[in-house]
Amino acid sequence: DAGITQSPRHKVTETGTPVTLRCHQTENHRYMYWYRQDPGHGLRLIHYSYGVKDTDKGEVSDGYSVSRSKTEDFLLTLESATSSQTSVYFCAINAGQSSTDTQYFGPGTRLTVL
Amino acid sequence: TQLLEQSPQFLSIQEGENLTVYCNSSSVFSSLQWYRQEPGEGPVLLVTVVTGGEVKKLKRLTFQFGDARKDSSLHITAAQPGDTGLYLCAGARNTDKLIFGTGTRLQVFP
Repeated sequence: DAGITQSPRHKVTETGTPVTLRCHQTENHRYMYWYRQDPGHGLRLIHYSYGVKDTDKGEVSDGYSVSRSKTEDFLLTLESATSSQTSVYFCAINAGQSSTDTQYFGPGTRLTVL
Repeated sequence: TQLLEQSPQFLSIQEGENLTVYCNSSSVFSSLQWYRQEPGEGPVLLVTVVTGGEVKKLKRLTFQFGDARKDSSLHITAAQPGDTGLYLCAGARNTDKLIFGTGTRLQVFP
């Protein structure tokens, strides 16, 4: 257990509304990631962070923004949710010193955009 | 563009059968990881392979990294219902990120 929590765990929202998902870790790991998971696509990286206020885009970053003002929290924001953003969102941390060491995942947030 | 393709996408077998899942790419990876994910949970790491040609065993699971470090396989011997889940490979390319495969969903029936 790497002490990762995600909130909310489930959310239903309407197209055009802003949505913020929160990832919280308790062990001060440097690297944090946001992925989305859709059938047939595995996990796709949205954004990641390599330190406080240091973030970078992943392969599917359009329509998403992130913020990391504290080591323990990594927020994912959908500025104006669309139905194509209906998905399961996973937060992960990297528990090692190398950027490609084991990733530990949170329990996921199921988001439905109507 | 999906850099890591897994096959098959779905696999449904009876308890006791053997199976192999493949993870293929045209790109070279410095290391490759295999994760298993159960419904309603996040993926959990099974193994990391680093050296071309490396073989690692985890009880009934055998993992192999291709000689050219572009592909990997996962072989399960005598599958059990507890092996049911989504299997994901993930490659590292000396960047800050892992690239995940498309996933193989395995169902093992008693």
